Amino acid sequence: DIQMTQSPSSLSASVGDRVTITCRASQTISRYLNWYQQKPGKAPKLLIYAASSLQSGVPSRFSGSGSGTDFTLTISSLQPEDFATYYCQQSFTTPQTFGQGTKVEIK
Amino acid sequence: QVTLRESGPALVKPTQTLTLTCTFSGFSLSTSGMCVSWIRQPPGKALEWLARIDWDDDKYYSTSLETRLTISKDTSKNQVVLTMTNVDPTDTATYYCARVTPAAMSSDYWGQGTLVTVSS
Repeated sequence: DIQMTQSPSSLSASVGDRVTITCRASQTISRYLNWYQQKPGKAPKLLIYAASSLQSGVPSRFSGSGSGTDFTLTISSLQPEDFATYYCQQSFTTPQTFGQGTKVEIK
Repeated sequence: QVTLRESGPALVKPTQTLTLTCTFSGFSLSTSGMCVSWIRQPPGKALEWLARIDWDDDKYYSTSLETRLTISKDTSKNQVVLTMTNVDPTDTATYYCARVTPAAMSSDYWGQGTLVTVSS
């Protein structure tokens, strides 16, 4: 199985901050990398697919980059509604493994 | 619009078989490229991918759980069923089904999830 490792596991940030979350795959996955946002008690929501494509309806402050084994999710200016847990997922092959999550908390 | 809804028992006893149903609308699993996955999340823990069934009836499973899982579809009813045999308390989780699209095989629509507790 491909292992997905996110860093950091959690972070504290203020409204307006630029936030970066990284995800590393244990082997190359080309650009088959998706990012999800999950709020407490809710289902995950797709933010970014294919490493850098913004899902319809997702604010442009979210962006993704990377290829191969190293990927990044960036929130350009953190908003109050962005405090949540973020997961990466590889879809290069099955099983389509997830990272362990990054919790973004209010500083 | 696309919707998915999970249904099944809220409480299951250890060693029993768990059967979950995903009922969806707004798309067809007979459309080329469409798939449905099951994902679970133990309380306070990360997402865990379980299984996927494709429009052509190809099936894929979690490596650690594949001996206990079976996924199937009923295209006429717009349903996907996941069975898990020999459950134990570590299988306590919220179980989600999600649509998977050809767009990088991402899950663009999710059900609300159903909490399953395994306890005697």
